[in-house]
Amino acid sequence: DTEVTQTPKHLVMGMTNKKSLKCEQHMGHRAMYWYKQKAKKPPELMFVYSYEKLSINESVPSRFSPECPNSSLLNLHLHALQPEDSALYLCASSQAGTVAYEQYFGPGTRLTVT
Amino acid sequence: AQSVTQLDSQVPVFEEAPVELRCNYSSSVSVYLFWYVQYPNQGLQLLLKYLSGSTLVKGINGFEAEFNKSQTSFHLRKPSVHISDTAEYFCAVVRLGGGNKLTFGTGTQLKVEL
Repeated sequence: DTEVTQTPKHLVMGMTNKKSLKCEQHMGHRAMYWYKQKAKKPPELMFVYSYEKLSINESVPSRFSPECPNSSLLNLHLHALQPEDSALYLCASSQAGTVAYEQYFGPGTRLTVT
Repeated sequence: AQSVTQLDSQVPVFEEAPVELRCNYSSSVSVYLFWYVQYPNQGLQLLLKYLSGSTLVKGINGFEAEFNKSQTSFHLRKPSVHISDTAEYFCAVVRLGGGNKLTFGTGTQLKVEL
């Protein structure tokens, strides 16, 4: 099973709402990632978890709060977002370590902030 | 730091014609290289990767790429494209010992026409 699943597929939220994005993988990967992708642009790394610990935060605003409850799950909690946060949010997973391993991406959550 | 350049933002090609998508990278240390494809409204899918060994790498869907260290390039090729190959293609690098922090190029939109 080489699948990364993400829910929901689409999300519309107001600027005062609180919502969460979910990501799950069952490949035994111990590194998980959140990316943000705007239209016609490459993905931008937001967070990396390695062995369930946050290892990279790319200076992401605090209105985005990641959580890794266990080795298979990754959440992204959203609060007080701005319209410019509207984007495709991609989750990925890979083996962990200093050697580079390929990342497997989920289908993404299309977020619209109104 | 490493960087990736995909000079062609769009490549139109007729069905059954060959295609080459160009990728050049810059890094002061050795790197691993990847090509990802993104179909409309989907996540990224790994096409192929170069970690070490043979410089000609074969991937899925009939794609291949050649690593050229002297020219710091990793161009993607397919001898005969199909309509279904229409998608966005991203070249990405990770520096040796850099864990899994991918640096993406800006992407090339491949448009296959009848």
